[in-house]
Amino acid sequence: SYVLTQPPSVSVAPGQTARLTCGGNNIGSKSVHWYQQKPGQAPVLVVYDDSDRPSGIPERFSGSNSGNTATLTISRVEAGDEADYYCQVWDSSSDHVVFGGGTKLTVL
Amino acid sequence: QVQLQESGPGLVKPSQTLSLTCTVSGGSISSGDYYWSWIRQPPGKGLEWIGYIFYSGSTYYNPSLKSRVTISVDTSKNQFSLKLSSVTAADTAVYYCARAAYSSTSFDYWGQGTLVTVSS
Repeated sequence: SYVLTQPPSVSVAPGQTARLTCGGNNIGSKSVHWYQQKPGQAPVLVVYDDSDRPSGIPERFSGSNSGNTATLTISRVEAGDEADYYCQVWDSSSDHVVFGGGTKLTVL
Repeated sequence: QVQLQESGPGLVKPSQTLSLTCTVSGGSISSGDYYWSWIRQPPGKGLEWIGYIFYSGSTYYNPSLKSRVTISVDTSKNQFSLKLSSVTAADTAVYYCARAAYSSTSFDYWGQGTLVTVSS
C-alpha cells in the first residue's frame, strides 16, 4: 500500500518560513492535500490539489509537489500556526485514502 | 454552510459493534458531487481513514478494517452511518465524519468528532 512520510516535528521562529514535507513514491503524480489540526479540534483543509487554498485560508499557506516530495510552506509564521499538519492523497491504484503520520509544528 | 454532526454511544464494550451516525445539514447527501467518509484518530495519534460511501451506496474501505466495517447511507434522512464490529481497545478513538469532493478527493468539511471508548 502507498505510504506517506512526514517528519514528526518542525520548529520555527515567529516571522520565519516553515517548510513541512511529505514524502511518497512518485508523489508528484498525485494530488496532495494538507490539513491543520489544533488540539481538541477537527482538522481543517489548508491546501488542496497540491497548491490551491480554500476560501478563508491566508495566502501565507502555499503548497508544491514534485518528484517524491510535496511541501507545505507557511510564510511569516505566527504563534497561531502552531498545530499538527497532515498530508493526504487518494491512491488511485487501490481506491484508498492515505494520510501521512503528521508533523507537529512548534513556533519558538 | 454545510455542517456534519456525529452521534452515537461514547462507550462500547469489547467484542461488540460500534455504531455511529453522521447527520448532514446545509446540503444534500444525494448531490452526487461528494463522497461521505469516516475517519478516526486514536488518542495522541494520527488520522486513519476508515472508508467512503457515495450517495448511490458504492463504498470503499480501508483494507486494514474492511472485514469489520460497514458504511451505509440514508438519503431520506440526509445521514450516513458507520458500523465497526468486534471492537477492541485499539478501536478507541475520536471518530470524524467528513465530506470529500468527488473531483478533488480532499476533505473540505468535517464534523466536530466524537470520542468512542472501548472498555468493559
